[in-house]
Amino acid sequence: KNQVEQSPQSLIILEGKNCTLQCNYTVSPFSNLRWYKQDTGRGPVSLTIMTFSENTKSNGRYTATLDADTKQSSLHITASQLSDSASYICVVSVLSNFGNEKLTFGTGTRLTIIP
Amino acid sequence: EAQVTQNPRYLITVTGKKLTVTCSQNMNHEYMSWYRQDPGLGLRQIYYSMNVEVTDKGDVPEGYKVSRKEKRNFPLILESPSPNQTSLYFCASSSGGSYNEQFFGPGTRLTVL
Repeated sequence: KNQVEQSPQSLIILEGKNCTLQCNYTVSPFSNLRWYKQDTGRGPVSLTIMTFSENTKSNGRYTATLDADTKQSSLHITASQLSDSASYICVVSVLSNFGNEKLTFGTGTRLTIIP
Repeated sequence: EAQVTQNPRYLITVTGKKLTVTCSQNMNHEYMSWYRQDPGLGLRQIYYSMNVEVTDKGDVPEGYKVSRKEKRNFPLILESPSPNQTSLYFCASSSGGSYNEQFFGPGTRLTVL
């Protein structure tokens, strides 16, 4: 069964500190891995998309890593800001026989930044 | 501004009263999809559409219908809503294929009493 597991479920850190969120997956056949940010009550917004050949990808203070061999990804947030408080969702994609993508979503890590 | 819009944003209804949640995108995307999000669960796909007049079931299609008569619109229909369909619903669109970003709407919070 295709699964995406994230840890920790929730995390509280002080403003200005760094943090790393983890994602393990068993999805196959793998197409790409995405990280989304979801503010409370709003739709997810894409942060990064990586294929199996990409080890790392950055978007401002967000850096995602991917190890396709161990099926693990991480999202590192540098110098956190209050606006980083949100849920971060790991999403793994497979390509179907019909050429469309099938996304499997993790349950997310709820990050809270405190002043 | 490129966006996906949903209406209504909030809806409280009663069991059995048919309702429609509209979704529209202005990016000329072929691919559109509906998801539901429940506490403790990841987003789950209800239905998707690869183009006009082409729709297919996702992981949790029971109790829902969709139609895709125009490229920009993808309404979600609940013919006879039940309390277990109380959830947060998201519409999304992309240009299809792989490695293409999915853009999500703002969400519709539905409560079925």
